[in-house]
Amino acid sequence: QSVLTQPPSVSAAPGQKVTISCSGSSFNIGNNFVSWYQYFPGTAPKLLIYDNNKRPSGIPDRFSGSKSGTSATLGITGLQTGDEADYYCGTWDSSLSTGVFGGGTKLTVL
Amino acid sequence: EVQLVESGGGLVKPGGSLRLSCAASGFTFSSYSMNWVRQAPGRGLEWVSSITSSGSYIYSADSLKGRFTISRDNAKNSLYLQMHSLRAEDTAVYHCARDCDTSCSGLDVWGQGTTVTVSS
Repeated sequence: QSVLTQPPSVSAAPGQKVTISCSGSSFNIGNNFVSWYQYFPGTAPKLLIYDNNKRPSGIPDRFSGSKSGTSATLGITGLQTGDEADYYCGTWDSSLSTGVFGGGTKLTVL
Repeated sequence: EVQLVESGGGLVKPGGSLRLSCAASGFTFSSYSMNWVRQAPGRGLEWVSSITSSGSYIYSADSLKGRFTISRDNAKNSLYLQMHSLRAEDTAVYHCARDCDTSCSGLDVWGQGTTVTVSS
């Protein structure tokens, strides 16, 4: 059972938009920055969003992040088949004094 | 090129020990906090442990305290994870990851991982 809650899967057609939610508490999302990762198992995860809504250089603006209260959201527009991957939210939990991740969301581009 | 390369994984019997290494290159290793994150088969990413740039502060998942120990050698640009009393549920791909610098929050560089299999 992950500290952060994500939907197990989402799907949308190529070219469409999808959002992935990440729900936590005041101990984690509510008082710490959220980051988002794209993961193809067997490879190195990639940082997509840091500090809730900032993109590292090289990450297209099709990817966006937002946070409100104890929840965060990753948005992906203009979906491509290459976006099919697992997506994870992550943050620090001030109560546990540990990093925490969501359970992951598998994106399918139909 | 900024790079992290893990090594040291393998097959180990339950109760055994293993030491993972992560070799860093392309950046000033001693300036960054570092982390270990793992993914067990069929499961999500799980944060394992973090160590600050100087090694002064260490944070570890409660469930792993006493069995796993993170350390670093800044002179060798290397991060380590010493694992003892291994269990079947420790079977996973173990990634090392770099913290963003002090002005941001996130893990911005990751290695491809090393596989640990705990089985008799």
